[in-house]
Amino acid sequence: GAVVSQHPSWVICKSGTSVKIECRSLDFQATTMFWYRQFPKQSLMLMATSNEGSKATYEQGVEKDKFLINHASLTLSTLTVTSAHPEDSSFYICSAFGKTSGGQETQYFGPGTRLLVL
Amino acid sequence: QKEVEQNSGPLSVPEGAIASLNCTYSDRGSQSFFWYRQYSGKSPELIMSIYSNGDKEDGRFTAQLNKASQYVSLLIRDSQPSDSATYLCAVALAGQNFVFGPGTRLSVLP
Repeated sequence: GAVVSQHPSWVICKSGTSVKIECRSLDFQATTMFWYRQFPKQSLMLMATSNEGSKATYEQGVEKDKFLINHASLTLSTLTVTSAHPEDSSFYICSAFGKTSGGQETQYFGPGTRLLVL
Repeated sequence: QKEVEQNSGPLSVPEGAIASLNCTYSDRGSQSFFWYRQYSGKSPELIMSIYSNGDKEDGRFTAQLNKASQYVSLLIRDSQPSDSATYLCAVALAGQNFVFGPGTRLSVLP
């Protein structure tokens, strides 16, 4: 299957700082990537859909000015958490559509980035 | 509202038994169906995909799809403690609109 990477895997930062998370599709081009957030023992929550060359589409309740998404190329999307606060501490996961061995498209997830805001 | 529903569990089965995970969906236009496994603290990984009615087997895993009844299930034969995880059902409409279920937590007891 397709491979999606994320960097960094762990971030610890002080309240008020901004944190940038990168998501890359390593062996395929992804016109669409997705950003999810997951709190402990809870379900995946879709935050936004990142579209190459255009503005991201945010889910209801997600502040677009706080969670800046840039999809600069077909293999890279970034999520910037601006002025992070302790309540932003979570597990952030990106995904992208890639082809299975059978040629069908499905979502492949990156390994996730764990953010801890002190 | 497009919905995908799963029992949250936990579903506990003894080692060696068959684990049966179920998922129902609301949108009859759904065309593609997926099962992901998520270990605690990790991101989801794709384990099965199914696109037509019937059964699809891959090793110890069998996905079953019944579009008329709008359900998809995952059977895990000879369950192992390493299968203990949360299993997410995902349903896709034509195009790229994925909807994930809340997941079922499976615990395989040694």
